[in-house]
Amino acid sequence: GAVVSQHPSWVICKSGTSVKIECRSLDFQATTMFWYRQFPKQSLMLMATSNEGSKATYEQGVEKDKFLINHASLTLSTLTVTSAHPEDSSFYICSARDATSYEQYFGPGTRLTVT
Amino acid sequence: AQSVTQLGSHVSVSEGALVLLRCNYSSSVPPYLFWYVQYPNQGLQLLLKYTSAATLVKGINGFEAEFKKSETSFHLTKPSAHMSDAAEYFCAAYSGGYNKLIFGAGTRLAVHP
Repeated sequence: GAVVSQHPSWVICKSGTSVKIECRSLDFQATTMFWYRQFPKQSLMLMATSNEGSKATYEQGVEKDKFLINHASLTLSTLTVTSAHPEDSSFYICSARDATSYEQYFGPGTRLTVT
Repeated sequence: AQSVTQLGSHVSVSEGALVLLRCNYSSSVPPYLFWYVQYPNQGLQLLLKYTSAATLVKGINGFEAEFKKSETSFHLTKPSAHMSDAAEYFCAAYSGGYNKLIFGAGTRLAVHP
């Protein structure tokens, strides 16, 4: 099946620094990628939708200047958490939608801890 | 707008017993429906999907789900639970326009000996 990778799988950073998370579709092209945030024991909350070559569409309440999303190619999207604070600590999951089947495949997630 | 409701945030069954996880959707158009499983600290794995073909959908790991339009339901079942089935299960549906996946709140399945 299709594989989506995320890197890093976990990261610890100091408050005020920025962190970049990569999401790659390994064996298919994804014109659309999604970024989710998941708090402990809760469901996934869609943060933004990114389309290759265009600006991301952010969900209501998500700060676009804080969560920078770049979808530079059909296989790579990045999420940068700028000036991270402890409240940004969470599990971030990306998803890539296959351009032909419309099926979404999920990455393994990235655990971000801001100290 | 599309919404997905999962009844029961926690379900506990004995090993070998029937697993039934409930999901209801609200939509005026035929939906695309999905069940995903999430193990601790991992991403989501697709169990099965309904895309307006057969109403009984078989998935991986012995799971299946039946689409019932009259009940707007897409419940997930497995005849005999294994210890390895213990995980979080999410029902999801595409929003109108098939643009975004809308997730239910999730159901945590516990399997005890």
